[in-house]
Amino acid sequence: EVHLVESGGGLAQPGGSLRLSCAASGFIFSDFSMNWVRLAPGRGLEWVSYISRNGNRIYYADSVKGRFTVSRDNARNSLFLQMNGLGAEDTALYYCAKDTPLGTPPDHWGQGTLVTVSS
Amino acid sequence: EVVMTQSPATLSVSPGERATLSCRASQTFSNNLAWYQQKPGQPPRLLFYGASTRATGIPARFSGSGSGTEFTLTISSLQSEDFAVYYCLQYNNWPFTFGGGTKVEIK
Repeated sequence: EVHLVESGGGLAQPGGSLRLSCAASGFIFSDFSMNWVRLAPGRGLEWVSYISRNGNRIYYADSVKGRFTVSRDNARNSLFLQMNGLGAEDTALYYCAKDTPLGTPPDHWGQGTLVTVSS
Repeated sequence: EVVMTQSPATLSVSPGERATLSCRASQTFSNNLAWYQQKPGQPPRLLFYGASTRATGIPARFSGSGSGTEFTLTISSLQSEDFAVYYCLQYNNWPFTFGGGTKVEIK
């Protein structure tokens, strides 16, 4: 069974940084592209970032480009999101999501980790 | 980026009735369109990909259709477990973009 567990969320100061992690199990992690998607309070889903199976293709939403960096460690079955220059608009529940065997869209999601940006 | 507009924002439906949800794209593309269902406190659940291909385990009362700029999710006879927020996602162009969501509530 596919299992995705996010961690690393918490309270950050405006302008601060956080590093999110996603531990994957139940599938061959290196065979699948991965995504980060967020759900802000009172707002809808927003796709944040994509990384291909071997990490050679990476894409970001315009709202996070230049501030967030996605990476993966296939040997450790882990996905990461380094978030710098955080602002109040980044406050959200961040989901790690696995793509289908054919690629996007995501077909399995974790429960999310909450990021709150506040002074 | 491709802007996805969902309508209506809220749909009030009685159990057993039909629900039709719309998703409109700001530019045309083939069928790289997905639908998700999300309930409070739960992650999104994939319903459809390729606009009309049902994901694993999705009941037949759900159907997806459309192409170009107009896409539709239909629930033929609403069950109590179907009351949720539904999102469309275009994955044809980077960056991927979600619609704002349609909340299906009990009338």
